[in-house]
Amino acid sequence: GIQVEQSPPDLILQEGANSTLRCNFSDSVNNLQWFHQNPWGQLINLFYIPSGTKQNGRLSATTVATERYSLLYISSSQTTDSGVYFCAVVGNAGKSTFGDGTTLTVKP
Amino acid sequence: GAVVSQHPSWVICKSGTSVKIECRSLDFQATTMFWYRQFPKQSLMLMATSNEGSKATYEQGVEKDKFLINHASLTLSTLTVTSAHPEDSSFYICSAIFRGGSFNEQFFGPGTRLTVL
Repeated sequence: GIQVEQSPPDLILQEGANSTLRCNFSDSVNNLQWFHQNPWGQLINLFYIPSGTKQNGRLSATTVATERYSLLYISSSQTTDSGVYFCAVVGNAGKSTFGDGTTLTVKP
Repeated sequence: GAVVSQHPSWVICKSGTSVKIECRSLDFQATTMFWYRQFPKQSLMLMATSNEGSKATYEQGVEKDKFLINHASLTLSTLTVTSAHPEDSSFYICSAIFRGGSFNEQFFGPGTRLTVL
């Protein structure tokens, strides 16, 4: 199956700083999504981005499908951005695979 | 739009009992639903892929006789944990793919926290 690697595993920032999270995948995919998991476990859709670039407020994402990676940018981070960020892909066989996540801590 | 609900949100049961978890797409028809399990401090692990009207496809290592999945309609899939044991305690999450929407975009339910005593 497709391997999904996220980096870094942990990230600690001061409020106001910018950050970049990375997701590498081992094969071509039909879908790539970024999620934020809140403390109650709910997965919040951030981006559906199998290719190209999207922006939503302080967050943006870029997927370069030919090079099999995606980046999630968080600008002017806030304490409420803390949590676990997951990248998930769906391969050609229709199977969904999650990365191990990046745990972000934003300190005031 | 694209709301997925799960019921119950949490459940505590005795060892040996069976527990049923429902996953519903509230405002759309789902071609496919996925079931995941998440242990503390870990990622989501896919358990099975469920398509309406057909048998679920289970991932390697997931016992199909223990985790029964029924996808009865385009808006409902159920996961039944049979003869639950303490090691089945986990956070179970479902997702649904919107029929007619972005190809393979998943919408997730809020999860069900199962504790087996």
